[in-house]
Amino acid sequence: DGGITQSPKYLFRKEGQNVTLSCEQNLNHDAMYWYRQDPGQGLRLIYYSQIVNDFQKGDIAEGYSVSREKKESFPLTVTSAQKNPTAFYLCASSVQGMGNQPQHFGDGTRLSIL
Amino acid sequence: DAKTTQPPSMDCAEGRAANLPCNHSTISGNEYVYWYRQIHSQGPQYIIHGLKNNETNEMASLIITEDRKSSTLILPHATLRDTAVYYCIVLDSSNTGKLIFGQGTTLQVKP
Repeated sequence: DGGITQSPKYLFRKEGQNVTLSCEQNLNHDAMYWYRQDPGQGLRLIYYSQIVNDFQKGDIAEGYSVSREKKESFPLTVTSAQKNPTAFYLCASSVQGMGNQPQHFGDGTRLSIL
Repeated sequence: DAKTTQPPSMDCAEGRAANLPCNHSTISGNEYVYWYRQIHSQGPQYIIHGLKNNETNEMASLIITEDRKSSTLILPHATLRDTAVYYCIVLDSSNTGKLIFGQGTTLQVKP
């Protein structure tokens, strides 16, 4: 089935540790996005990428890094510089990064601090 | 900031139509109206979107007023599995696609 796969579903980070969240899509979409959701809140954009080997910062990029080496993959690294990483992380993709095309989401990764 | 206003919560009886309103009085001509929903602990699910005309798909119908300042999402026969938070979002067609989620409407479908 076509879709977006995020892994792992749950992740725990120790203090000072970097962790990487995986996002893979087989929809042949050009654009991919990472959002963060805190309890009871809406989504906030971390990074987005409209084509391979190119990406832009969103509203809350500090403490995060991404890469887009392949069209189907857009991993997110939560670095030790992110002081409050506990949140629900959501990856999305769309045909192209345009406002008239819907984004489709994965099932998310829940990150917690040990 | 979200550019839409939605009631915080609504109830609907199972099997009845659920009508979820959204105000977007500052919408501009090239902005689309999107609806998503989120069931607890899952990623948001795309439902439907439209620009000017009413739209219908297998999940729902979207009714947009002639002045485009408000819209209604209609779930024709609500089931218990439709219980979720529903988000109405406006998005510029030239936008890079950043979705801004407001507080949404929590729809509770009751037996």
